[in-house]
Amino acid sequence: AQKVTQAQTEISVVEKEDVTLDCVYETRDTTYYLFWYKQPPSGELVFLIRRNSFDEQNEISGRYSWNFQKSTSSFNFTITASQVVDSAVYFCALTGPSGSARQLTFGSGTQLTVLP
Amino acid sequence: GAGVSQSPSNKVTEKGKDVELRCDPISGHTALYWYRQSLGQGLEFLIYFQGNSAPDKSGLPSDRFSAERTGGSVSTLTIQRTQQEDSAVYLCASSVQAGTYNEQFFGPGTRLTVL
Repeated sequence: AQKVTQAQTEISVVEKEDVTLDCVYETRDTTYYLFWYKQPPSGELVFLIRRNSFDEQNEISGRYSWNFQKSTSSFNFTITASQVVDSAVYFCALTGPSGSARQLTFGSGTQLTVLP
Repeated sequence: GAGVSQSPSNKVTEKGKDVELRCDPISGHTALYWYRQSLGQGLEFLIYFQGNSAPDKSGLPSDRFSAERTGGSVSTLTIQRTQQEDSAVYLCASSVQAGTYNEQFFGPGTRLTVL
């Protein structure tokens, strides 16, 4: 019923380059929530953003920005002027009423490596 | 504490042994979740608690897996007769309450290795 696809398994960029991480989702719910989490080498998942399905306004937080487009079922994440500390695995996730037990359905993650 | 804590951070066990993994959620969070992260399967949901009850246990991979939560706080995930395919990082998360709106805050995980 719910699925999240992160087609980019690994991305490598040089510091200061911009990079976009793609996320495409599938759900039959009309109300749902999308999330991005960051997992640095330490292993702990860090919450970055939550977006509900009725709010398509793009969001910017410092060097991070998110582009939510319901028409294409995408919720892409852009890091501007990337830094070495941005190196991590990034997960896109989805939750909604049809997902049993309120759990997050995660994509497979994108490993981002920022080279100095 | 300020965040979700899990213990032990690493556990190495022999095939066939039982293991217990512990999760201490953020104070005041009524919902608690267990996930498993392995190379082949990504992040898989196992079970969640609202208070002390677990409304849905369908994510548990087999009857060797069980979990409980007491006092609306600490939770224990038990794996009986461990198998090599149980090797993974077990992540715990908590949220203010179970609901699609609430973001989940994750602990550092327990890395389980079954020899």
